Amino acid sequence: DAKTTQPPSMDCAEGRAANLPCNHSTISGNEYVYWYRQIHSQGPQYIIHGLKNNETNEMASLIITEDRKSSTLILPHATLRDTAVYYCIVRSFTGGGNKLTFGTGTQLKVEL
Amino acid sequence: DGGITQSPKYLFRKEGQNVTLSCEQNLNHDAMYWYRQDPGQGLRLIYYSQIVNDFQKGDIAEGYSVSREKKESFPLTVTSAQKNPTAFYLCASSIVASRLADNEQFFGPGTRLTVL
Repeated sequence: DAKTTQPPSMDCAEGRAANLPCNHSTISGNEYVYWYRQIHSQGPQYIIHGLKNNETNEMASLIITEDRKSSTLILPHATLRDTAVYYCIVRSFTGGGNKLTFGTGTQLKVEL
Repeated sequence: DGGITQSPKYLFRKEGQNVTLSCEQNLNHDAMYWYRQDPGQGLRLIYYSQIVNDFQKGDIAEGYSVSREKKESFPLTVTSAQKNPTAFYLCASSIVASRLADNEQFFGPGTRLTVL
């Protein structure tokens, strides 16, 4: 699976959009971008995923650049409960299994 | 409610003892996984199983063992051979589908193991 690079931490004011970047310059054509988040001492929670088109769901939007070498997770109106570590994961579908390779993620702190 | 349960939430053991962590899911998922997380680090895959009676080693399987006798259960044993067993252990499950888009993993609440 392709390696990802994320900033170690970010701050965001409550009610503002939180834009979390991720670089995946070695991504290959069949690799998807997944985002999970982990609130302190809990299990990770799936947020969103995409291949090349931008995606939106009730939690967030995912913007993938045209060359697919980077992406941005957008939380449109961040709340205090969005404070968590956000993991960007790039993986391909192979017959060998559904394995997720987590990096160290971005610690997002949402403040009043 | 459907979901994944792990018990206990906190576990203490003496060095040299084997300990088994429980993971149960009622989501009817075929695949189950065990991850380990150390402070300030991401998750690392220990073992995974895509079907009953079959499992594969992940990236850090040494000192661990698993079994998958039932679809809903995937217990993890931390043996005395694991040199640094103190960590946060997370269990996950997913369906095994032909489309990658359906392979979201659902995580349990985790067990924090401390070896004294």
